[in-house]
Amino acid sequence: KQEVTQIPAALSVPEGENLVLNCSFTDSAIYNLQWFRQDPGKGLTSLLLIQSSQREQTSGRLNASLDKSSGRSTLYIAASQPGDSATYLCAVRGGSNYKLTFGKGTLLTVNP
Amino acid sequence: KAGVTQTPRYLIKTRGQQVTLSCSPISGHRSVSWYQQTPGQGLQFLFEYFSETQRNKGNFPGRFSGRQFSNSRSEMNVSTLELGDSALYLCASSPTSGGDNEQFFGPGTRLTVL
Repeated sequence: KQEVTQIPAALSVPEGENLVLNCSFTDSAIYNLQWFRQDPGKGLTSLLLIQSSQREQTSGRLNASLDKSSGRSTLYIAASQPGDSATYLCAVRGGSNYKLTFGKGTLLTVNP
Repeated sequence: KAGVTQTPRYLIKTRGQQVTLSCSPISGHRSVSWYQQTPGQGLQFLFEYFSETQRNKGNFPGRFSGRQFSNSRSEMNVSTLELGDSALYLCASSPTSGGDNEQFFGPGTRLTVL
């Protein structure tokens, strides 16, 4: 059974810092990994999708890496801004039913 | 292109009642998946529909059911509501049912069971 763990559970940083969010998963037989952002009481916004054959993806100030063999992914946020404050969720897609298995998320607070 | 839409956004029901939630996928997307989000369990997969057929199912009781229409819109039904069904219900759409598809989520329906 796939399990996804995100560390840390919460992170508070001053504006302008570069930061790294971590995600690990137990079963490396995945199709892809997605990073999402969720604002309080809202739905999920897809940030980056990394296919199983890829090593990293970049979008603006965000860079996500994937090491499938070790079951790890990182989300790097450069020059953080208060608007980046949200919960960041990592999800892997795998198994015979293609379902997304989510981590519990990292609550990020960027202080002005 | 319009995103995934879900109606209603908020619902309050009492125990024992039933409820129907609706999801309209992104135009051209034929796969719709449903997830339940609670503070304790996080996000959990309910089921996926593709071309009007349930393709996959998570570990939820039979009180949770769904269907998909020919225009790819999907509905989820929960019967005999329990307090523990209070959650944010999210639907996601993707072009097809394959494992390499990116999933796009709607804003969710917040269900409160009293």
